[in-house]
Amino acid sequence: EAQVTQNPRYLITVTGKKLTVTCSQNMNHEYMSWYRQDPGLGLRQIYYSMNVEVTDKGDVPEGYKVSRKEKRNFPLILESPSPNQTSLYFCASSFRLAAQETQYFGPGTRLLVL
Amino acid sequence: AQSVAQPEDQVNVAEGNPLTVKCTYSVSGNPYLFWYVQYPNRGLQFLLKYITGDNLVKGSYGFEAEFNKSQTSFHLKKPSALVSDSALYFCAVRFNTNAGKSTFGDGTTLTVKP
Repeated sequence: EAQVTQNPRYLITVTGKKLTVTCSQNMNHEYMSWYRQDPGLGLRQIYYSMNVEVTDKGDVPEGYKVSRKEKRNFPLILESPSPNQTSLYFCASSFRLAAQETQYFGPGTRLLVL
Repeated sequence: AQSVAQPEDQVNVAEGNPLTVKCTYSVSGNPYLFWYVQYPNRGLQFLLKYITGDNLVKGSYGFEAEFNKSQTSFHLKKPSALVSDSALYFCAVRFNTNAGKSTFGDGTTLTVKP
């Protein structure tokens, strides 16, 4: 089944404790992206990747890192999480980097930073 | 900068009545416009998109949207609403000049009452 998976789905952590949220897609998609969803703010793009070893900042990259060492994986790293990073996070992918491409979203990761 | 506005936080309709969820975008070149739906505790699912050509786009679950360049709008419509259409709807825009970047609206909660 073609899908985007994220792990973990739920995470409670404390300020400053490094964490990684994994994202994997099995569709051989070139383009992958991370978003956070906050009430009243919609989805805001954190980082995106056009292909292996190629990444760029979205609208809200501060406090986040990403890497794209393999085509299928695009982990989101929070080196020192803070309470303002409490949010619902979505990973998405599409076949290629083109504005007309449809994105396929993962199920989301709900993060609470205490 | 590209932007999307969904002017209504909430739309309420009775089952069987037509529904409209509004979306407008900032003009900057030729946009690609998308509608996504999010059901509770789920990721976003693609509904439809406008790329070029016919201004009326038909999508999943009986939804359609009309691209209006002069009004910079892309309203989502359905002739007869179902209770199961109740969900959170997001409009999104992308441009060829910066294909990696996706901008989403804040979302509109649609409630269809029996």
